[in-house]
Amino acid sequence: GQQLNQSPQSMFIQEGEDVSMNCTSSSIFNTWLWYKQDPGEGPVLLIALYKAGELTSNGRLTAQFGITRKDSFLNISASIPSDVGIYFCAGQLLYSGGGADGLTFGKGTHLIIQP
Amino acid sequence: ETGVTQTPRHLVMGMTNKKSLKCEQHLGHNAMYWYKQSAKKPLELMFVYNFKEQTENNSVPSRFSPECPNSSHLFLHLHTLQPEDSALYLCASSQVATVASYEQYFGPGTRLTVT
Repeated sequence: GQQLNQSPQSMFIQEGEDVSMNCTSSSIFNTWLWYKQDPGEGPVLLIALYKAGELTSNGRLTAQFGITRKDSFLNISASIPSDVGIYFCAGQLLYSGGGADGLTFGKGTHLIIQP
Repeated sequence: ETGVTQTPRHLVMGMTNKKSLKCEQHLGHNAMYWYKQSAKKPLELMFVYNFKEQTENNSVPSRFSPECPNSSHLFLHLHTLQPEDSALYLCASSQVATVASYEQYFGPGTRLTVT
């Protein structure tokens, strides 16, 4: 099946630092989404991207849909303790009729903030 | 209740047991999904239901049997599971045939342990 390569696998940062993570694929994706998962909970949708080159912000989070349609990145500015968690990229392959299709997920980036 | 709810949150079962996981979405969506999340692996799509009709079975063993009686409820019936089936089972929903078709909203998951 399709795979998304998400990096880094984990990040150890200081509070207040900016964070950047990305996902790449060998296939063209129609949609990119970014989720955050806290321990014991399901993933929560942060940002959805629909057009190549699209840059979208949600508070301190900014994500971009790569121009080649094969990658996306997520930036978090001025990190705070509640940003700790696992961040997942997810994508929907190019072929879709707007129906119900499953998402392909990356393995996640584990963000750890050191005091 | 709001969003997507799942019960039970935790389940321990023997390999010869039969149990069911329940998911309910309160978002008015028309598509529902089952995903499996195992340690160190990406989320894996299991089943897709679109307007109560199963549209995708991602090569899931027959010991997992989904049921979607209406667009708000989704079940996963389990029988004769294996220890390797221990994982977090996540339910999600989305609104098909809209711009936001691919925005899937997840429940908190059921942590399943097979002994």
